[in-house]
Amino acid sequence: GEDVEQSLFLSVREGDSSVINCTYTDSSSTYLYWYKQEPGAGLQLLTYIFSNMDMKQDQRLTVLLNKKDKHLSLRIADTQTGDSAIYFCAENAGNMLTFGGGTRLMVKP
Amino acid sequence: EAQVTQNPRYLITVTGKKLTVTCSQNMNHEYMSWYRQDPGLGLRQIYYSMNVEVTDKGDVPEGYKVSRKEKRNFPLILESPSPNQTSLYFCASSPWFAGGQETQYFGPGTRLLVL
Repeated sequence: GEDVEQSLFLSVREGDSSVINCTYTDSSSTYLYWYKQEPGAGLQLLTYIFSNMDMKQDQRLTVLLNKKDKHLSLRIADTQTGDSAIYFCAENAGNMLTFGGGTRLMVKP
Repeated sequence: EAQVTQNPRYLITVTGKKLTVTCSQNMNHEYMSWYRQDPGLGLRQIYYSMNVEVTDKGDVPEGYKVSRKEKRNFPLILESPSPNQTSLYFCASSPWFAGGQETQYFGPGTRLLVL
């Protein structure tokens, strides 16, 4: 399958903005996703972006897509301790989702 | 309540002893899939099913089997488990796999240890 890459770890202070980055390789992907996994739980879809969009905003979340560089980012404004989790980006490739390795976000009070 | 259930949630077994992890959804979804999650590797798809009696390999199908005899159930079978199958397994379902609005609903996970 295609590789989707993310940095492993991000630490921010409460109230700051968090930016989680992802690179993907399948230029034919029509949708790209961000999932959140809290400890001991399954994955929860946070947001998605269609490949013909550059940006999508949903409350505190902003997704930026640079198709030329195959780069996807998730910005969380006013990060809270409840945002501490692992965040996965994913791309669809045919009938499958390919996930990145996940970025663990730690929010310090 | 709409949900995906998996059983068992935790399982310790020995090499070579056949096991089945069940997955059931109550949302009448066509699409179901199995993933394994390993540290640093994210989720990798094992098998998926587009509908009853329609299954296909994902990225890491070796050592696994699945069946889809009914719409609601999608069991994962390990005929002869090996220690490299020690992992956290997730089942997921969605109405259809066209991306975007068709959210995949994930089960709570099954943690498997193969000795």
